[in-house]
Amino acid sequence: EVQLVETGGGLTQPGGSLRLSCVASGFTVSSNYMDWVRQAPGKGLEWVSVLYSGGDTYYADSVRGRFTISRDDSTNTVFLQMNSLRVEDTAVYYCARGWGYGGKTFDYWGQGALVTVSP
Amino acid sequence: DIQMTQSPSSLSASVGDRVTLTCRASQGVINYLAWFQQKPGKAPKSLIFGASVLRSEVPSRFSGSGSGTDFTLTISSLQPEDFATYYCQQYYNYPPTFGQGTKVEI
Repeated sequence: EVQLVETGGGLTQPGGSLRLSCVASGFTVSSNYMDWVRQAPGKGLEWVSVLYSGGDTYYADSVRGRFTISRDDSTNTVFLQMNSLRVEDTAVYYCARGWGYGGKTFDYWGQGALVTVSP
Repeated sequence: DIQMTQSPSSLSASVGDRVTLTCRASQGVINYLAWFQQKPGKAPKSLIFGASVLRSEVPSRFSGSGSGTDFTLTISSLQPEDFATYYCQQYYNYPPTFGQGTKVEI
C-alpha cells in the first residue's frame, strides 16, 4: 500500500526556516517524481516543487531560491527545506507522488503538514 | 503559466441530482487534465486523469470529458459522500496549475 507521511510543520517567524520530511512506503521515491503542493488556509492548491528520479529539480517562481527539495534514498524520504519564510508561505504542505505526462499530475498524497509563518 | 478557471465556484445540489462542473484552460492542454476531490481537512484525492480516465477505485457515477481548453466533470447521481470541493489541474506543462475549485454543497 502506498503511503506518504509528512512531518516537520510548525510555527516560525518571517525570515525563519523549517524542513519538512515526507516518508514514503509502498514504493521507492528514487524511482518516481516527487512533488510538494501547498494550500493556504481557505484557498486552492498551488504546486511548489518537483524532484525527478534523475535528480533534476524545479520550483514555482514564488519559492525559487528560498526552498530546496531533496531526498534520502536510504530512508525513502523526501525533504523540503524552506528558508527565508514569508507570511504568505503559510499553508498546509502536501507531499505527492508525481505521475503521468512528465510526472506533472499526482496520484498519491500525504495527509499534509501545516506551516505557519507569523510575526 | 496556464490559468485554469472553474465554474461555478460553488453549487447547491441534492442527493440524486446530476451535476456538471466546468474547467477552462487559458491555452490548450490537449487532454492533460486531471480532476481531484477534496473534503475538509483532508488531502486531495485523484479522480480522473487524461481528461476522461477514471482511477480504478473511483465510482462510475463520475465521468470526465473535454479536450483542448474546455473540460467537464459530471456526477450522474450525487451521493452524500460526494459533497466536497473539486479541483481541475493541467499537467501539459510547467508549472502544473490548478483551478480555484468548485464546492459542491447540500
